[in-house]
Amino acid sequence: GQQVMQIPQYQHVQEGEDFTTYCNSSTTLSNIQWYKQRPGGHPVFLIQLVKSGEVKKQKRLTFQFGEAKKNSSLHITATQTTDVGTYFCADTGTASKLTFGTGTRLQVTL
Amino acid sequence: EADIYQTPRYLVIGTGKKITLECSQTMGHDKMYWYQQDPGMELHLIHYSYGVNSTEKGDLSSESTVSRIRTEHFPLTLESARPSHTSQYLCASSEFDRNTEAFFGQGTRLTVV
Repeated sequence: GQQVMQIPQYQHVQEGEDFTTYCNSSTTLSNIQWYKQRPGGHPVFLIQLVKSGEVKKQKRLTFQFGEAKKNSSLHITATQTTDVGTYFCADTGTASKLTFGTGTRLQVTL
Repeated sequence: EADIYQTPRYLVIGTGKKITLECSQTMGHDKMYWYQQDPGMELHLIHYSYGVNSTEKGDLSSESTVSRIRTEHFPLTLESARPSHTSQYLCASSEFDRNTEAFFGQGTRLTVV
């Protein structure tokens, strides 16, 4: 079955440093969605990418969809303590199943 | 503000008991999902539904069952709880078009003793 892996599994940065998480699929992704889950909370939708090579920005966050639609990335510029949480990518799939990646946990310290 | 609710939020129950985790949404969404998540770990899809009378098993094998008799309601049942079922269960819903976001409930944290 499909596997959606994210690296790194965990990253600890100093506030102000940049952060990137990578999402890689064993099969071609349909659409890719990104979610953020704060500690003790539930996943909250951030953005969706649809087209090959698409790049979208939300303030300090930059999302990219690979040309072959088998990978995606999320880059945060100048992290803040409010960025703490786990970031998940999710494939909407041909059967609309919504399969989540393994997640990357971000810790930010002052 | 997402209108999707899960009850109970926390449940501690003895081995062998039958339990039902409730999930309701008032957004009229056709698609609903159940995920199992251990603390700090990935979300595993255990069941999903496209609409009334439609249920499918997810990627993670689960001893639980679901039903979808009404659009707004998607309960999950464990006939005989075991300690291995201890986890957090998250319910989500979205519109049928796959280009829309999923909204999550607050989750039910289940402990089987």
